[in-house]
Amino acid sequence: KAGVTQTPRYLIKTRGQQVTLSCSPISGHRSVSWYQQTPGQGLQFLFEYFSETQRNKGNFPGRFSGRQFSNSRSEMNVSTLELGDSALYLCASSLDKNQETQYFGPGTRLLVL
Amino acid sequence: KQEVTQIPAALSVPEGENLVLNCSFTDSAIYNLQWFRQDPGKGLTSLLLIQSSQREQTSGRLNASLDKSSGRSTLYIAASQPGDSATYLCAVEGSQGNLIFGKGTKLSVKP
Repeated sequence: KAGVTQTPRYLIKTRGQQVTLSCSPISGHRSVSWYQQTPGQGLQFLFEYFSETQRNKGNFPGRFSGRQFSNSRSEMNVSTLELGDSALYLCASSLDKNQETQYFGPGTRLLVL
Repeated sequence: KQEVTQIPAALSVPEGENLVLNCSFTDSAIYNLQWFRQDPGKGLTSLLLIQSSQREQTSGRLNASLDKSSGRSTLYIAASQPGDSATYLCAVEGSQGNLIFGKGTKLSVKP
């Protein structure tokens, strides 16, 4: 069974631009979560989607948004990019939340210049 | 607010040594605790998941324990190998379903 895939793997943007990242979960998994990883803050939760609905949201500004499609694939969008948005963005999928192993993708490394 | 702490931040050991990584959390109301491994520039690989009702889980040379009442978990690695070199992260899952991570322990196993 294929793992979690994320595209693109690397991205360079300039301040003020917007970016869209994509995540395809493991087949059969309906929950997709997004995390931001930076050297200073570590891994921080962005949001979680289940059956096309956002179920949970972390403490990030409204510039960070996401959505999930009927096939469980998910996208996250960051508008008006700031230098501090440079990070590794990881998505994870699971069958559902609570007591289920979350499987992570390889991440998208975003560099904002 | 749940906080997860991992000690030590970095550890260097000779090959073959047994070692223990520590993880502590402030709120015992967790659904599970998960240990991950992260290689440089890569995503996370799940190692072990311990449900809140369990005390430990084992996989090969890895053994993880959970003591909810004291807010602690340990990851025991037996007979360490250079290939075990990576950053090890522990994460707890709360009622909202999201994982709260520690900052990790960077392990280096010297041949």
